[in-house]
Amino acid sequence: GQQVMQIPQYQHVQEGEDFTTYCNSSTTLSNIQWYKQRPGGHPVFLIQLVKSGEVKKQKRLTFQFGEAKKNSSLHITATQTTDVGTYFCAGYDGNNRKLIWGLGTSLAVNP
Amino acid sequence: DVKVTQSSRYLVKRTGEKVFLECVQDMDHENMFWYRQDPGLGLRLIYFSYDVKMKEKGDIPEGYSVSREKKERFSLILESASTNQTSMYLCASLSGRFRFNEQFFGPGTRLTVL
Repeated sequence: GQQVMQIPQYQHVQEGEDFTTYCNSSTTLSNIQWYKQRPGGHPVFLIQLVKSGEVKKQKRLTFQFGEAKKNSSLHITATQTTDVGTYFCAGYDGNNRKLIWGLGTSLAVNP
Repeated sequence: DVKVTQSSRYLVKRTGEKVFLECVQDMDHENMFWYRQDPGLGLRLIYFSYDVKMKEKGDIPEGYSVSREKKERFSLILESASTNQTSMYLCASLSGRFRFNEQFFGPGTRLTVL
């Protein structure tokens, strides 16, 4: 079946370093969402990308949707300890009307 | 403020027991979901409901059933709990008829089956 692969599984950075997580789909997606889950918490919606090549920014976070709508990335500039958590992408398969979740990238930040 | 609540944060049950997990949302959302989350496996969809009394199987429905008698409430039922159903269970809701809208999650129920 359709999959959304997310890499890396884990990332450990020093505070102030940048961080990027990538999602790749086996097929074209209608749109892609990003969620953040703090340790002990629940996933919280960050953003949704719909258009081919779309780039959106939220302060230090930059989200991109690939031209072919098969991949996406989340980049955090100058990480802070408040960025700790697991970041999930979820791509919508419009043909099968299903949201396909990536397995998440867990980010640890050393102060 | 949007709110999804789940009946328990922590639950311990014995093998073979019937278990009910309750989820309530106050946003008048049409769609509601039940996921389980396990380390290394991400979020897996168990069941979802797009309207009262309507339900559809997700990716891992075996061993579970659901009930949606009222719009705001979506219940997950483990007919006969087994140890491999020990997990974090997350409920979510979503507005509108488009299933790709933002999902709002509850705080989760950590279920342990002994």
